[in-house]
Amino acid sequence: EVQLLESGGGLTQPGGALRLSCETSGFRFDRFFMNWVRQAPGKGLEWVATISASGAGTHYADSVRGRFTISRDYSKSTVYLEMSSLRAEDTAVYYCVKRESGDFDFWGRGTLVTVSS
Amino acid sequence: ENVLTQSPDFQSVTPKEKVTITCRASQSVGSSLHWYQQKPDQSPKLLIKYASQSISGVPSRFSGSGSGTDFALTINGLEAEDAATYYCHQSSSFPTTFGQGTRLEIK
Repeated sequence: EVQLLESGGGLTQPGGALRLSCETSGFRFDRFFMNWVRQAPGKGLEWVATISASGAGTHYADSVRGRFTISRDYSKSTVYLEMSSLRAEDTAVYYCVKRESGDFDFWGRGTLVTVSS
Repeated sequence: ENVLTQSPDFQSVTPKEKVTITCRASQSVGSSLHWYQQKPDQSPKLLIKYASQSISGVPSRFSGSGSGTDFALTINGLEAEDAATYYCHQSSSFPTTFGQGTRLEIK
């Protein structure tokens, strides 16, 4: 059974930093692209970042490029999202998502990030 | 960026009705269009991939159609448990994008 378990969310001030983690199990971690997708309170889904199966390729939404970094640790089957220079508009539930081919076939339960003074 | 526009934004429907949600892309996505269901306080769940391919475990009342720029998600015989927000998603080009969502309320 595929499982994605996010952690690391919480309350931080504007300009602060957080690192999100996503522990995975139930599939060959080194064969799939992984993603972070976020959802602001009461809003729709927004793709944030993607990392390739090999880790060599990363892509970011314009809204986070230069502030967020996605990475993966194959020994721990874990994906990370390092977030810095956080803004109020980054407040959202952040989902870790496995990509099958193009579709997002499994989603974690999400971790809430709140940026507020 | 390929903008996906869903219609309607909200629909109130009765059980057993047939419901159709549409998704229009600003640029062709071929068949790289997927549908998700998100129930309140839950994470999204994949319903249909590549416009019309069914997903194991998803009830057969859910179906998808379309190609290019115009797509539809149809629910035949709506059930109370289908109350949710539905999103389309394109994976044809970066950045991957989502529609704004369609909320279904069951009367």
